[in-house]
Amino acid sequence: GAVVSQHPSRVICKSGTSVKIECRSLDFQATTMFWYRQFPKQSLMLMATSNEGSKATYEQGVEKDKFLINHASLTLSTLTVTSAHPEDSSFYICSALTTATLYGYTFGSGTRLTVV
Amino acid sequence: GENVEQHPSTLSVQEGDSAVIKCTYSDSASNYFPWYKQELGKRPQLIIDIRSNVGEKKDQRIAVTLNKTAKHFSLHITETQPEDSAVYFCAASNENTDKLIFGTGTRLQVFP
Repeated sequence: GAVVSQHPSRVICKSGTSVKIECRSLDFQATTMFWYRQFPKQSLMLMATSNEGSKATYEQGVEKDKFLINHASLTLSTLTVTSAHPEDSSFYICSALTTATLYGYTFGSGTRLTVV
Repeated sequence: GENVEQHPSTLSVQEGDSAVIKCTYSDSASNYFPWYKQELGKRPQLIIDIRSNVGEKKDQRIAVTLNKTAKHFSLHITETQPEDSAVYFCAASNENTDKLIFGTGTRLQVFP
């Protein structure tokens, strides 16, 4: 079945630094990738939608200059958290829309970001 | 945009009993309604889904019902087992935006 590989699984960084999270679709072409953030004991909140070759669209309240999304190829989408602060500590997870065989969503394994 | 509400937030049942989780959505264009089980620190795992042209779907101990007129859908788990204990999320999406919007989640505890 469809697989999305997400790296890193865990990352600890210092305040003010940037962190890049990668999501790769291994056996299908992900034309659309969704990025979510999940705080402890809360739901998955959609941050942005990225489409291959075009600018990402961000949900209301999400800073596009802070959360840089690049979807340069049909198999790779990246999220860069710039100038990270402790309040950015969260679980970040990507989800690719899969339409090749059956309409659905394939999730990455998630990235636990801790900013110290 | 779409808004999905989910109830209850916590649910405790005895092993063998049934559990029901309910969700309502706001966007009448939504046409795909998956349910996910998420364990701590892991990705959501699809357990069942339903599309707007179907009113009910069943897979062994799990069933989902959809009422498009009322804009609500429910997850039914029968003969619950301790391993069913997890957080469950409903979600909704539509073919216009493909955005998948999640409900607030239900923490299910099944006591032996």
